[in-house]
Amino acid sequence: SYVLTQPPSVSEAPGKTARITCGGSNIGGKSVHWYQQKPGQAPVLVIYYDTDRPSGIPERFSGSNSGNTATLTISRVEAGDEADYYCQVWHSSSDHPVFGGGTKLSVL
Amino acid sequence: QVQLQQSGPGLVKPSQTLSLTCAIFGDSVSSKSAAWNWLRQSPSRGLEWLGRTYYRSKWYNDYAISVKSRINVNPDTSKNQFSLHLNSVTPEDTAIYYCARGDSSGSSYYFNSWGQGTLVTVSS
Repeated sequence: SYVLTQPPSVSEAPGKTARITCGGSNIGGKSVHWYQQKPGQAPVLVIYYDTDRPSGIPERFSGSNSGNTATLTISRVEAGDEADYYCQVWHSSSDHPVFGGGTKLSVL
Repeated sequence: QVQLQQSGPGLVKPSQTLSLTCAIFGDSVSSKSAAWNWLRQSPSRGLEWLGRTYYRSKWYNDYAISVKSRINVNPDTSKNQFSLHLNSVTPEDTAIYYCARGDSSGSSYYFNSWGQGTLVTVSS
């Protein structure tokens, strides 16, 4: 099965740029989606198809995808961005979605 | 704005059937572009997709291999909702269960609306 690898944690100071990676074999050939999950809440889609933002998601959230790594970038990090972030792809061989293990973003 | 409202018991005994319902507001379970999914989340398994139902001139279902022998996801067009039935549960099925709307516009698939989640504990 297809495996997505995320760092368990990322820390960044307010106002700085946080980058959360998602590694997978030739992930650049797939479309990657990102979710934000705050404690006690359901996940929320923040990036889809590598770079698209749903309505209501701040422009500070952006995505990129190339080679074996996809990246979620959060510019001008705020305390309210503290959350777990998950990447997800569609695994065409099994016709099922696959999630990464999640990354906890801490705002120092 | 699509909203999903989950309902169902939070405690299920081992070997029994876990049943949850997800009511849809702002869309139709018979939508020809969306799919209606169940996922779960636990510390040991992370976020795990379980299965889906969708309508494309007829009804289809897909299930994760890990639960395929024990799961049913059914639409209810009269109530505009869909349900999850997972039988022969064990303590390993203890998790937060989510319903979610799935969408795609090409070769991939993502979840753009989620229910509030239901913590289901399997215990006698």
